[in-house]
Amino acid sequence: AQSVTQPDARVTVSEGASLQLRCKYSYFGTPYLFWYVQYPRQGLQLLLKYYPGDPVVQGVNGFEAEFSKSNSSFHLRKASVHWSDWAVYFCAVSMSNSGTYQRFGTGTKLQVVP
Amino acid sequence: NSKVIQTPRYLVKGQGQKAKMRCIPEKGHPVVFWYQQNKNNEFKFLINFQNQEVLQQIDMTEKRFSAECPSNSPCSLEIQSSEAGDSALYLCASSLEQNTLYFGAGTRLSVL
Repeated sequence: AQSVTQPDARVTVSEGASLQLRCKYSYFGTPYLFWYVQYPRQGLQLLLKYYPGDPVVQGVNGFEAEFSKSNSSFHLRKASVHWSDWAVYFCAVSMSNSGTYQRFGTGTKLQVVP
Repeated sequence: NSKVIQTPRYLVKGQGQKAKMRCIPEKGHPVVFWYQQNKNNEFKFLINFQNQEVLQQIDMTEKRFSAECPSNSPCSLEIQSSEAGDSALYLCASSLEQNTLYFGAGTRLSVL
């Protein structure tokens, strides 16, 4: 069955430092992959999405992610973290069919320290 | 920014009471999803619609949960008899195509 695992429940980085949040997926076939961010008391906002094609996808606010079929991974990266990036980040996977529901990981809480 | 509107933001019910929440999807989005996010950040898909028709739903939804998306009215999710384990953030999302979801801010249900 399709699923995603986010192995790090919490990540702490210094402001200005680089960031990588890990996501491993389990899927038979070609997955569609997504990263979302959730700020306190808000819903989820899409950061970026991967459809089969270029393995590196660019998102909003300087985020990017790289799809790796050999590693079954879709890690999120940012070159320089800002304090406003403090939030919970979710990875999700779905089948290719439009309307099929997405399965979410349990999130990684990012803390940004001075 | 998402234009999915969910009401109410907070809902407090006693065990056994009905709990109803509403969602207005983004204009022109034919597909609507409901998810339950618990305090451990586990997401559970509940049901989705395309226009007014149910596409998929889980077994839990078939028992105490009911949902509809009538034309020209908000979509709704109702729990017939609330249980403590139903306390969670209920998220509505809409989609135009290609699985891109636009989420509302959610309805936080507390069952006392």
